[in-house]
Amino acid sequence: GQQLNQSPQSMFIQEGEDVSMNCTSSSIFNTWLWYKQDPGEGPVLLIALYKAGELTSNGRLTAQFGITRKDSFLNISASIPSDVGIYFCAGLFQGAQKLVFGQGTRLTINP
Amino acid sequence: DVKVTQSSRYLVKRTGEKVFLECVQDMDHENMFWYRQDPGLGLRLIYFSYDVKMKEKGDIPEGYSVSREKKERFSLILESASTNQTSMYLCASSSWTGVVAGELFFGEGSRLTVL
Repeated sequence: GQQLNQSPQSMFIQEGEDVSMNCTSSSIFNTWLWYKQDPGEGPVLLIALYKAGELTSNGRLTAQFGITRKDSFLNISASIPSDVGIYFCAGLFQGAQKLVFGQGTRLTINP
Repeated sequence: DVKVTQSSRYLVKRTGEKVFLECVQDMDHENMFWYRQDPGLGLRLIYFSYDVKMKEKGDIPEGYSVSREKKERFSLILESASTNQTSMYLCASSSWTGVVAGELFFGEGSRLTVL
């Protein structure tokens, strides 16, 4: 089945650093979503993007819907310990309910 | 508070056993999904259902079956568990009329170990 290419697969950073991750696809999506999975929990939606070029923020998180509609980016500024977890990108085709997920980026923060 | 509840957080089964993973949602969602999560492979869709008694294969249906007899409940069945089915299983639900198109609400996961 189709999957998105998400990178990096893992990140080890110091508290306070900024984080960037991205997702690319060979297909065009109508919606991009970013989820976060805390340890021992299911993923939870962080941000949804609906339009090419759209830039959306949620607190210290900023995500962008790529102009080509084949990629998306997530940035976290001034990381804190509770940012630890796995971040997943997901794409949605027009009229569909079935998401296509990336492989995930595991974020570890050294205090 | 909206909720997707998975019946077991941790299970240990033996090769060849039949395994049932249950999922219940209280949001009256039409759509329900079963995913498998493995390190480096992300979330892979096993089966999904758009309505009661309806089911569709996802990307990795082999070795699994599902049942949806009631709108709120979606069960994943491993007819004869094998060691390569050791994994984290995540149930999710969504609505066609949700605020965010495609937003999935996930359960906490069921970690299955097959010995």
